[in-house]
Formats: sequence, structure tokens, C-alpha cells
Amino acid sequence: NAGVTQTPKFRVLKTGQSMTLLCAQDMNHEYMYWYRQDPGMGLRLIHYSVGEGTTAKGEVPDGYNVSRLKKQNFLLGLESAAPSQTSVYFCASRPLEGRIADTQYFGPGTRLTVL
Amino acid sequence: DAKTTQPNSMESNEEEPVHLPCNHSTISGTDYIHWYRQLPSQGPEYVIHGLTSNVNNRMASLAIAEDRKSSTLILHRATLRDAAVYYCILMNYGQNFVFGPGTRLSVLP
Repeated sequence: NAGVTQTPKFRVLKTGQSMTLLCAQDMNHEYMYWYRQDPGMGLRLIHYSVGEGTTAKGEVPDGYNVSRLKKQNFLLGLESAAPSQTSVYFCASRPLEGRIADTQYFGPGTRLTVL
Repeated sequence: DAKTTQPNSMESNEEEPVHLPCNHSTISGTDYIHWYRQLPSQGPEYVIHGLTSNVNNRMASLAIAEDRKSSTLILHRATLRDAAVYYCILMNYGQNFVFGPGTRLSVLP
């Protein structure tokens, strides 16, 4: 049981380049989330999904797109990277219901630098 | 989303108890109080959560004020591994987490 994994761990992009961050979870969780964390700050929600084939905007969605084609995967895309998107990106998942319904499980993060 | 207030930083000596406070004066009756922590260079991890009664688990204890306007996360014997940023979050079903800056706990040997 690997939990929540993220690919890649590190990436350096040039302004204007595109890339996709992959999040995978093997816990059969319904909900998945993408957050970004800037230095010295808490996490901010970018997009989230409440189930396969669904996505919704969070607090800071501009410049990002997401897709949830399979229940276990949640992709975060940057179509044209900007230096302001330099950050650490965290993925998380949680089950739909149960005793610990609201507990989120986080991945290890992807450190992205945009030059 | 309901908001919480935490001190920016705290220090503790190793093997001593640590009390991390959180104020949430606008909490609603159905808001759960969650605590997560983030170790250096890692994603946040769940610590504990509660609604009205005090809660204990293998990691920590959560003491909730009678009026629910504040709570305290208690680490009974701090270790160097407990040095992290601790987040107090109010959560209700159907809502998303809102992370504040949290409290940075330093543990001195």
C-alpha cells in the first residue's frame, strides 16, 4: 500500500513551457486534491475532485487545469508556466465516508521551479 | 470558511510536554477541529481531530474548551522528531480544508 504518490519529485521549467504533474492513490479514495505551498505559508487549494470524471476549482485555480479520468489518478497541468507558479505542489486524497471521512492523506510533494 | 488563530512559533525542550493553542471563536456547532502537522520537506500528516469531547490517540491529545472557541493540541513528551509546523483547521462535511500559516514548533535537545 503506497498511499499517495506524486511524479515527478522535482522539475525545472522555463517560462512558457508546459508540464503535467501526476498524483496516484491506491486507497480507493473518492476525493482528491491539488494544493500549492509557497515559502512560509500554508497550503492553498488549486483544484479538487469529488469522484472520477469530476473536477472543481479551489482557491487559486488560475493557470492550472486538472483531469480525473481514472479514480486513482489526478493530473495537474500547467499549459504555460510562469515564475509565479514556482512552488511546492502537494496532492491529497480522502475517502467519501467512514469513521475518518474527513482525514486527508498527502503525497510527498513536487518541487517546481519556473525560470 | 471558519478561521483559526495560532501563534507563529513555539519552543519546547525535548521530553517535556507541549501545549499548542488554537483559537476559533467563530466555530459553528457542526465544525470538527482537525490538527495536521508538516515535518520538514514532507506533506502534511493527520494528527488528531474532535468535535466536542477531548480526544486521545497514540500521537497526541486534543483538549477542547467547553464553549468550543478554543482548543489545545498536547504532545505529552516532545521528541526531536516532533519539530514541525502544526496546523489547526476547522472542517465541516462538504467543505474543503483551509490551511493557515500554522505554528512552527522547535524542539530543543
